[in-house]
Amino acid sequence: DTGVSQNPRHKITKRGQNVTFRCDPISEHNRLYWYRQTLGQGPEFLTYFQNEAQLEKSRLLSDRFSAERPKGSFSTLEIQRTEQGDSAMYLCASSRGRQGGNEQFFGPGTRLTVL
Amino acid sequence: GQQLNQSPQSMFIQEGEDVSMNCTSSSIFNTWLWYKQDPGEGPVLLIALYKAGELTSNGRLTAQFGITRKDSFLNISASIPSDVGIYFCAGPNAGGTSYGKLTFGQGTILTVHP
Repeated sequence: DTGVSQNPRHKITKRGQNVTFRCDPISEHNRLYWYRQTLGQGPEFLTYFQNEAQLEKSRLLSDRFSAERPKGSFSTLEIQRTEQGDSAMYLCASSRGRQGGNEQFFGPGTRLTVL
Repeated sequence: GQQLNQSPQSMFIQEGEDVSMNCTSSSIFNTWLWYKQDPGEGPVLLIALYKAGELTSNGRLTAQFGITRKDSFLNISASIPSDVGIYFCAGPNAGGTSYGKLTFGQGTILTVHP
């Protein structure tokens, strides 16, 4: 069990640029979640997938954000036309779904800084 | 939306002391999860609770699922320097269409002085 991995760990970009993050979940987990965390706060839910289907999106996820999980394995989160307010830690988590209860296992996160 | 309130917001203790923190909600949760987060890393799951009144231990950590299903407690016994970090409670909505999505508290920052 290699755990959830995320790439890159850090990303610095200029306002207006597009960025893409990748998450590789624990191999037998069928659910994958994206959260955003700002300094001094707990993680906030963005969206989640069961296999390749995106089942829920938060109102935090503006039109500039898009997430995919094309083959039900890894997922990507893209932010278009980044703004300074997008600076945050983006966390990915995975779970077994109903079989695993609500236990979600997190990756190390991608720290985004928008200049 | 649902909110989880954690207290205290921060704690400064001496190595060897016991620690207690809690989490309360305005609505019912059917699961309580406790995570620890180190700086620059993702949260690590410590304990999961599934039944009201349940008391679960993981080494020096003990957590309880409140009888009302609106609160949970985490205790750390005989603290050591590596216990330093931010502790979060979290839980999914009890019903509706949000199965699986977690709501997090704002965290308790723990500092342990050697």
